[in-house]
Amino acid sequence: ETGVTQTPRHLVMGMTNKKSLKCEQHLGHNAMYWYKQSAKKPLELMFVYNFKEQTENNSVPSRFSPECPNSSHLFLHLHTLQPEDSALYLCASSQDQRSSYNEQFFGPGTRLTVL
Amino acid sequence: GEDVEQSLFLSVREGDSSVINCTYTDSSSTYLYWYKQEPGAGLQLLTYIFSNMDMKQDQRLTVLLNKKDKHLSLRIADTQTGDSAIYFCAESIGTGGFKTIFGAGTRLFVKA
Repeated sequence: ETGVTQTPRHLVMGMTNKKSLKCEQHLGHNAMYWYKQSAKKPLELMFVYNFKEQTENNSVPSRFSPECPNSSHLFLHLHTLQPEDSALYLCASSQDQRSSYNEQFFGPGTRLTVL
Repeated sequence: GEDVEQSLFLSVREGDSSVINCTYTDSSSTYLYWYKQEPGAGLQLLTYIFSNMDMKQDQRLTVLLNKKDKHLSLRIADTQTGDSAIYFCAESIGTGGFKTIFGAGTRLFVKA
């Protein structure tokens, strides 16, 4: 596998379920990101990890819990979600968040539907 | 605040030029980017411009930056049906730890 991969690609869950989204990057990058993409809204940054340290938590509700065990893997743990959390969740990576030039490489996303 | 705005839709005929516009609010931007998202895929960097430049050309793509008006545009010459996608404007802001602020994306429809 090359680039940034995300699993699952599609997820349907009830409001009482617990699930996790997984992201893996094979680019040797040190920064990883979670974004939420909703129709007609700006891409919303959720969390950033740089060298495994969380550097950004953009006022995300606690029902979303990130985990970054190493620079190649990023998880988003979900529990007691709401229907308005339905969206495309994108993972991205970049060389180093401290660089002013910060090209990000995105995975294909997980399409999440909360019933 | 940090805000990037762009129109949501643009429709052009095949062979015409497309111009996608974007405005941003943070004057401390270092780099500004255009990303492209094709159906079922994540975003992919298309081109970028450093904040001290006014223009950058890359084959069919021309990026214009007006720092005074905080306006960025992407022109695609000879637009093809394969150019149909969502185009995101983004800016890199901050010092030490940078943050990338994205717009909502402009969906480009190319009619044959």
